[in-house]
Order: sequence, then structure tokens, then C-alpha cells
Amino acid sequence: NAGVMQNPRHLVRRRGQEARLRCSPMKGHSHVYWYRQLPEEGLKFMVYLQKENIIDESGMPKERFSAEFPKEGPSILRIQQVVRGDSAAYFCASSPYGREQYFGPGTRLTVT
Amino acid sequence: RKEVEQDPGPFNVPEGATVAFNCTYSNSASQSFFWYRQDCRKEPKLLMSVYSSGNEDGRFTAQLNRASQYISLLIRDSKLSDSATYLCAVKGGSGGGADGLTFGKGTHLIIQP
Repeated sequence: NAGVMQNPRHLVRRRGQEARLRCSPMKGHSHVYWYRQLPEEGLKFMVYLQKENIIDESGMPKERFSAEFPKEGPSILRIQQVVRGDSAAYFCASSPYGREQYFGPGTRLTVT
Repeated sequence: RKEVEQDPGPFNVPEGATVAFNCTYSNSASQSFFWYRQDCRKEPKLLMSVYSSGNEDGRFTAQLNRASQYISLLIRDSKLSDSATYLCAVKGGSGGGADGLTFGKGTHLIIQP
């Protein structure tokens, strides 16, 4: 049973470009969460989704960030017009019942 | 007061020793509690959930004290491979909304041969 998959593992973007991060949950998991870990900081919750629905986006920055989890395909975290402060590791987690969360390997975004 | 607080360490412990960490949380309405370990620049791996009655998994024991709002992790007979950062996570803290996890910054453990 494959774990949570994320791609790309590393992403380099220039300031002003868009970043798209993808996450495929573990088989049978319908709950997806996105977290961000800034250098030397703890993990911060961003958004919680189920298929076709955003359940809780209380941790998402108000501008430039969006997330979706379509009926088919992976969950996508999209960052428009990236700035240097967006450089971080972005982790996706999935859960079968909304309790224990299992993390993917993360995408390391570097904005130059 | 921070949502979830941990002593950052590092804890330097000889191989074979017993080590314990605490984690305090501020939101009394928090519902679920977990310990994760994170190796350098890798993803957090779920170590164990923490239940009200306390629970054990091999060399690891977790306890929850709701009255004092802390959870603990005890590692017995520590191994070199236990060296990692241990993250406390709370569900239902305001930092994670109702469903996301609120993490502490972690306690760094170094097991020395």
C-alpha cells in the first residue's frame, strides 16, 4: 500500500511565478490536509479538504493561496505570484477517518 | 502563551537510558493528541496516538493529563536510531482549526553511543 505521494519533491520558482504542488492520498483515505514548515519553524496547518470540498481553510493566507481536491486526481495546492517568504517545505497528510494523519515526503519550494 | 509548547532540547542521552519529554497545550477543548518523530528535512512520521488511559507501544509509552493539559512520551532502552526531533501534535487547538493539527516546535533528541 503506497503511502502519501507528493510531487514535485523540489520546486524552484522565480518571484512572481506560480507554484503547483500535488498530493495523492493513501489508498482509501478521503481526508487531505496541507501544512507548511518554514525554516527553523514548526509545522503550520493550512487547509483541510475532502473530495470536491474545502472543509477548513482557516490556516490559508488570504491572498495568492488556493487548494482543491477534485473528484478525480490529486489534491493541488496553488500559490500564485510567489514571493521569497513562500520558500518552505509543504507537507500533505491524509487520513482515513479524520483522526490519525499520515504525511507525504513534502515539496520543498525555493523562490529565487 | 503558545498553543503547544515543548522544550526544544537538545536532550543528549546515552544509549540504553530512559528519556521522557513533556508537551503542554493551551486549549482545554482539544480532542486528540499525537506524537510524531521527524528526521532532519524529512516528513513527520506518526509515532503514536495518545489516549486518556495512557498507552504503550514497545519501548514507547504515552500519557495524557487533561487536568494539567500536558502529554508525555517515555522512551525506554533508547537506541541510536531514536535520535530525531519529537513533535507533539494536538487536534482541536485553535492553531489548526477544528480538524487540522497544531504542532509544537519539537524536542531534539540525540542518543549517544
